[in-house]
Amino acid sequence: AQRVTQPEKLLSVFKGAPVELKCNYSYSGSPELFWYVQYSRQRLQLLLRHISRESIKGFTADLNKGETSFHLKKPFAQEEDSAMYYCALSYSGTYKYIFGTGTRLKVLA
Amino acid sequence: EPEVTQTPSHQVTQMGQEVILRCVPISNHLYFYWYRQILGQKVEFLVSFYNNEISEKSEIFDDQFSVERPDGSNFTLKIRSTKLEDSAMYFCASSEQGNQPQHFGDGTRLSIL
Repeated sequence: AQRVTQPEKLLSVFKGAPVELKCNYSYSGSPELFWYVQYSRQRLQLLLRHISRESIKGFTADLNKGETSFHLKKPFAQEEDSAMYYCALSYSGTYKYIFGTGTRLKVLA
Repeated sequence: EPEVTQTPSHQVTQMGQEVILRCVPISNHLYFYWYRQILGQKVEFLVSFYNNEISEKSEIFDDQFSVERPDGSNFTLKIRSTKLEDSAMYFCASSEQGNQPQHFGDGTRLSIL
């Protein structure tokens, strides 16, 4: 079955340090992958979509089909990056999203 | 920027009662979704809706649940005979097309007593 794994429940980094939020997926075909962010008391917001290959708020994510990963990276964390981050998978034949359990990022001053 | 809106933000209901959760999707979106998140667990897909019918549903979405688009703007989730385990955050989402990113509402926290 299709699955998304985010191994870290909590990731704490200092301001200015690099950040990597891990996401691995289980799907044998061509996936579509997303990162959503949820700031405190706000809604889930789309951060990145792998097919867009954009950099949003300094974050990037590259799909690695060999490792079935879609890790989220930022070279220099900011305090305002503190939030809950969810990786999500969709695939051919469905429009539903399969979410990981999320990683809470805390950026310390 | 247009947003998906959900009402109420918090609903408290006695076990066995029926609840209706309401959503107003973004106006030019054609695909609508419900997800739920039990406290401490992952966001889970319930159902997708397109062209006035269910296009996909999960195993969770059994006969206790139903969805409806009663008019041109609202999209509702009805839960009959609520159980304690229905307590969760329910998120509505919409997308312009099925393969476009989904936009989520703030959620409705449902508490079953």
